[in-house]
Amino acid sequence: QPVLTQPPSASASLGASVTLTCTLSSGYSDYIVDWYQLRPGKGPRFVMRVGTGGIVGSKGDGIPDRFSVLGSGLNRYLTIKNIQEEDESDYHCGADHGSGSNFLVVFGGGTKLTVL
Amino acid sequence: HLQLQESGPGLVKPSETLSLTCTFSGGSISSGSYYWGWIRQPPGKGLEWIGTIYYSGSTYYNPSLKSRVTISVDTSKNQFSLKLSSVTAADTAVYYCARRGAGSYFDSWGQGTLVTVSS
Repeated sequence: QPVLTQPPSASASLGASVTLTCTLSSGYSDYIVDWYQLRPGKGPRFVMRVGTGGIVGSKGDGIPDRFSVLGSGLNRYLTIKNIQEEDESDYHCGADHGSGSNFLVVFGGGTKLTVL
Repeated sequence: HLQLQESGPGLVKPSETLSLTCTFSGGSISSGSYYWGWIRQPPGKGLEWIGTIYYSGSTYYNPSLKSRVTISVDTSKNQFSLKLSSVTAADTAVYYCARRGAGSYFDSWGQGTLVTVSS
């Protein structure tokens, strides 16, 4: 099964841009990754899904246009432009693996984004 | 308005069974378009998928937890439940319930409930 690796922390100034990275383990470059936002005091919410061709499907409900994704090789990127205070959250990536009785979901360790 | 709400004890003793229920409102849990899952986040760690159930009762479990986990569904109450047996301090986490489309992502989540394993 794939291993998803995320840097534990990132920071950006208000109004700046930041790119968060989720790296798949070797051999899984064709995998689609889902990005989730874990907001303090609120339930997680789906941001968007990304493959090597970019976004797969639609953004999650209420996700601003400032959020975008790219995929390249083993990396899946989430970019936030014009960062706002409300973007300060933990961001987790996840991926499906297998099918039928062997199906499972794996997640990365999450990146804590601090807005300076 | 879709809503998922976790409920259950916030404190469980070591070696006992953790039991949580997720109530879905704003739709029917029997909809064939969705699966229902449990995910947890231990303090300071990442998300961990526990398992997923279809309204018909088909289940999919994390292999690392499979021997201790049971997920069930009660369509008459629009609820699904989690039981995790023989808990230890390592099972202390915020537990989330969530909905996902077939072959899709978790599109709606509960707010989460903290369960602490301690004597």
